[in-house]
Amino acid sequence: DQQVKQNSPSLSVQEGRISILNCDYTNSMFDYFLWYKKYPAEGPTFLISISSIKDKNEDGRFTVFLNKSAKHLSLHIVPSQPGDSAVYFCAASAIRADKLIFGTGTRLQVFP
Amino acid sequence: DTGVSQDPRHKITKRGQNVTFRCDPISEHNRLYWYRQTLGQGPEFLTYFQNEAQLEKSRLLSDRFSAERPKGSFSTLEIQRTEQGDSAMYLCASGAVGGDGTDTQYFGPGTRLTVL
Repeated sequence: DQQVKQNSPSLSVQEGRISILNCDYTNSMFDYFLWYKKYPAEGPTFLISISSIKDKNEDGRFTVFLNKSAKHLSLHIVPSQPGDSAVYFCAASAIRADKLIFGTGTRLQVFP
Repeated sequence: DTGVSQDPRHKITKRGQNVTFRCDPISEHNRLYWYRQTLGQGPEFLTYFQNEAQLEKSRLLSDRFSAERPKGSFSTLEIQRTEQGDSAMYLCASGAVGGDGTDTQYFGPGTRLTVL
């Protein structure tokens, strides 16, 4: 049972354009969501998070949007840079719960 | 403090051998988590500690796996009688519960285990 889904395994975007990565979840108990970036042979690096009391959180070039009714969140990267090329994981947890549930990741490639 | 560290970074072992991994969390974090990641998948939760208490174990954690955090600081994950299916990246994360109950977890670089 895949509770967190990233249906696009890969995304290719031109440098300077917007990258939009999507994530869907099925468990209505989830109310804290995170995005991580991962390079090969490294651990995931925390990017940005959002709790269910908000519908948007912004940090520099990164913005996360949450649509609770649709059980959908997205990560926007503007403008995209070649250094953003990595695998992006969406993760979810219930507040005060003990573990993160991850999606399968989306590989982003930003080309010049 | 430079973040979560893990040792070793790579481990190659033969089937049936025992292996032990170490994780040193960010010093002020009281929660420590272990995850496992295989190719093409996201990290999967294995177990977690709050201070020295092991509070949850996934059903992925068979009897061959044991984790400890004896003094509430570093943690070890031991796999006994390794199997080829244990080959994966083992990730450690640490975190601290925020005032609103959220818990951002920060990951180490991982230990890549290959069982021959």
